[in-house]
Amino acid sequence: DAGITQSPRHKVTETGTPVTLRCHQTENHRYMYWYRQDPGHGLRLIHYSYGVKDTDKGEVSDGYSVSRSKTEDFLLTLESATSSQTSVYFCAISEGLTPSYNEQFFGPGTRLTVL
Amino acid sequence: QKEVEQDPGPLSVPEGAIVSLNCTYSNSAFQYFMWYRQYSRKGPELLMYTYSSGNKEDGRFTAQVDKSSKYISLFIRDSQPSDSATYLCAMSGQGAQKLVFGQGTRLTINP
Repeated sequence: DAGITQSPRHKVTETGTPVTLRCHQTENHRYMYWYRQDPGHGLRLIHYSYGVKDTDKGEVSDGYSVSRSKTEDFLLTLESATSSQTSVYFCAISEGLTPSYNEQFFGPGTRLTVL
Repeated sequence: QKEVEQDPGPLSVPEGAIVSLNCTYSNSAFQYFMWYRQYSRKGPELLMYTYSSGNKEDGRFTAQVDKSSKYISLFIRDSQPSDSATYLCAMSGQGAQKLVFGQGTRLTINP
């Protein structure tokens, strides 16, 4: 497995509370991504990063913010969690060395429940 | 309408059968086409990728891309119970940095 860890692996929280999920990689890959996975929707991109302090929005970025202060860490923050953010969150990484295809490797996921 | 459409199934077939999984898409800018396999409560893992149109074979798996019809397929020959998983198609334009996924098809191979 690519060296990707996510923490926590499971979290239950209440509506309105802030939540931060962490993705840590040991591969020194340039790109990091946050996806959410919901029934009927597959995986949807929330935000991604193409370098330290360089981030961009994905398809479903509303209600989420991200930060990347080190190559190895990519944080996803829900400023005020809502029940619609109950989901499984996956982090992914890719080398990004070429302008063509770059395989994305996925972490084990974080299961978040917002009550 | 979603950019990528995939029948979510579930699909259940007997061991040894040939399985066909399909996706359609609407964005003609897509150039890279991938199939990911995801076991229950695990992250997706890349199974195959294809650039542009054509076929690609890897063991029991064959990926086909028909850009003129905006249609991609994954065939699994001699299916095994260990192939039971959710299969997700994904695609992207140049750079392949922003993937668009299908909904995933849950497949069960019955012994």
